[in-house]
Amino acid sequence: AQKVTQAQTEISVVEKEDVTLDCVYETRDTTYYLFWYKQPPSGELVFLIRRNSFDEQNEISGRYSWNFQKSTSSFNFTITASQVVDSAVYFCALSPNSGYSTLTFGKGTMLLVSP
Amino acid sequence: GAGVSQSPSNKVTEKGKDVELRCDPISGHTALYWYRQSLGQGLEFLIYFQGNSAPDKSGLPSDRFSAERTGGSVSTLTIQRTQQEDSAVYLCASSRAGVGGLGYTFGSGTRLTVV
Repeated sequence: AQKVTQAQTEISVVEKEDVTLDCVYETRDTTYYLFWYKQPPSGELVFLIRRNSFDEQNEISGRYSWNFQKSTSSFNFTITASQVVDSAVYFCALSPNSGYSTLTFGKGTMLLVSP
Repeated sequence: GAGVSQSPSNKVTEKGKDVELRCDPISGHTALYWYRQSLGQGLEFLIYFQGNSAPDKSGLPSDRFSAERTGGSVSTLTIQRTQQEDSAVYLCASSRAGVGGLGYTFGSGTRLTVV
C-alpha cells in the first residue's frame, strides 16, 4: 500500500520569508514517481514537479526547490522569498512507475502568505 | 479543448436525488481519472479509464457511484440517491497515457453540496 503524509496542515508566513513544506511517503515499489501540485483558491490543481525515484538530485526552479531524500522517504518543497501569490494548498503525491497507475495524494498543506 | 473541462462547476442537490457530473478531457488524452476532495481529506481516487480497457473502479466508495466514458472522450460520474457525506469537490484529470509518471492535467472540479 502507498501512503503520503503531509504533517503540516496549515502554515502562515509573512511575505519574503522562506518556507518548507514537508512530505513523507511510504511505498513497497522499488521505482516510483513523486509529485507536487498547487491548488490556488480557484480550485484547479496545478502541476509543479515530477521526480523519478532514480533521481535523487535536488531541483531548483526559480524560487522553488525540492529536496528528495530516499533514505528518509521524504520529498520536501521549499519556497524562497515567499509571495502572497504563493498562498494555496500544496499537495504531495506518489505513483508507481509501472503500467497504468493512479496518484496517491497527501492531505495537503495550506500555505498562507500575508503581506 | 485546451484544458480539462468540468460541468457544472457547482451543484446543490437534495438528499436522495441523483446527480451527474461531466468531464471533458484534453483532446487526445487516453487516460481519464476521477478524484474526490473532501474537506481536510486530500484527494481520494474514485475511478480510472484507459482507452478501451475495463475501468479501474476500485476507488468507488459505494454502488451508488458509477461512471461512464463514451467514445473514449467525455466521462460522466453519476451518484445515485445522494447522501450528505457525498458533499465534496469532484475533480477530473486526464493524461496522454496511463502511466502515472507523466502527471495529470486537472479540471477545476465540480463542487457538490447535498442538503
